[in-house]
Amino acid sequence: AQSVAQPEDQVNVAEGNPLTVKCTYSVSGNPYLFWYVQYPNRGLQFLLKYITGDNLVKGSYGFEAEFNKSQTSFHLKKPSALVSDSALYFCAVRTSLYSGAGSYQLTFGKGTKLSVIP
Amino acid sequence: DAMVIQNPRYQVTQFGKPVTLSCSQTLNHNVMYWYQQKSSQAPKLLFHYYDKDFNNEADTPDNFQSRRPNTSFCFLDIRSPGLGDAAMYLCATSRDREKVYTFGSGTRLTVV
Repeated sequence: AQSVAQPEDQVNVAEGNPLTVKCTYSVSGNPYLFWYVQYPNRGLQFLLKYITGDNLVKGSYGFEAEFNKSQTSFHLKKPSALVSDSALYFCAVRTSLYSGAGSYQLTFGKGTKLSVIP
Repeated sequence: DAMVIQNPRYQVTQFGKPVTLSCSQTLNHNVMYWYQQKSSQAPKLLFHYYDKDFNNEADTPDNFQSRRPNTSFCFLDIRSPGLGDAAMYLCATSRDREKVYTFGSGTRLTVV
């Protein structure tokens, strides 16, 4: 089964410091990987995705992620954390649905709570 | 802007009283999804519509149903809500073969 794992329930970082939120994947074939952010009582906001091409993907709000095939990882990074970055972050992988060719869903990791300390 | 809209944002219902959550989209995406997200957990797929075809996940309780009267709208019906159904319900859309998944803001359901 195709899945992603987020090994950390919580990450704490000081404002202005670089942040990393970890994600590893288990996928047969080429993975399509995504990062979403969720603020309290809100839906999921898309940050970035890796489909193919450059291993370093740049996304919204200054976030980026590095696809590493040998380590099967897709860690989310930001050079300088802001207090407003404090939220729940989900890594996801596109997985097939049985309903029809070309039909897919996102399967999520359990999420990592990021707290940026002023 | 094209988007996915969920109503209401917050819904309080009584134990056992049927409730309906709604989702609309202006993206003209052919696939619509309902996810359930319990506190501090990952979203879990309940079912999806591929065009007009309804597809249930194997472990989705019978208490949950869905309707999609047209491309733009999709409804989640909970026939007899229990305390364990309290959660955030997320609607999402995508188009065939496009690697884009757009989520609504969610409906937070409370069962009292």
